[in-house]
Amino acid sequence: GAVVSQHPSWVICKSGTSVKIECRSLDFQATTMFWYRQFPKQSLMLMATSNEGSKATYEQGVEKDKFLINHASLTLSTLTVTSAHPEDSSFYICSARGTSGRLGADTQYFGPGTRLTVL
Amino acid sequence: QKEVEQDPGPLSVPEGAIVSLNCTYSNSAFQYFMWYRQYSRKGPELLMYTYSSGNKEDGRFTAQVDKSSKYISLFIRDSQPSDSATYLCAMSAGGGNKLTFGTGTQLKVEL
Repeated sequence: GAVVSQHPSWVICKSGTSVKIECRSLDFQATTMFWYRQFPKQSLMLMATSNEGSKATYEQGVEKDKFLINHASLTLSTLTVTSAHPEDSSFYICSARGTSGRLGADTQYFGPGTRLTVL
Repeated sequence: QKEVEQDPGPLSVPEGAIVSLNCTYSNSAFQYFMWYRQYSRKGPELLMYTYSSGNKEDGRFTAQVDKSSKYISLFIRDSQPSDSATYLCAMSAGGGNKLTFGTGTQLKVEL
């Protein structure tokens, strides 16, 4: 249990285009999902917290108009990088918060990540 | 001072060794403690999840939490080359609060 998928696993795009990344919880419902980015040999940096049916909460320094987050259902959250530029190239990882009981209410289950390269 | 401190390594051990990975933290509100394993270019995988102080064992892995010392550990017995990865500690105060991560320790288990 507690499987999270991400799509696509990697994407290459031209500067100025928008890219959408999907995050799905496959075998559990996730009212809360998180989006992180990770640079090589560094830890995870939380970008935003996504709650189903409400607006995302962004961390300080993260542009909400550039990184659009939608959490339309209990199993799907999307991150759209708008007008991507080379400095947006990174590894983007989503996670879904476990519910109470077996999955643990305060832990997170991560997707496999999406590598974005902006040319 | 960071909320969570973790030695980045790299830590290199021979196959079969017992590995000890550690994190210290400063926030006494943390109650939930996790260890994740992350292979290169992959998302973190949850290894151990512990609430409050104590020990928890799962196969070759043992997690220890000492809240009085604000210190957590992950022990790996009979380490294998497939254990070579970056190990991240993470913790939370609960109530749906976001996780605070250590920087990760890079482990290499050599034949």
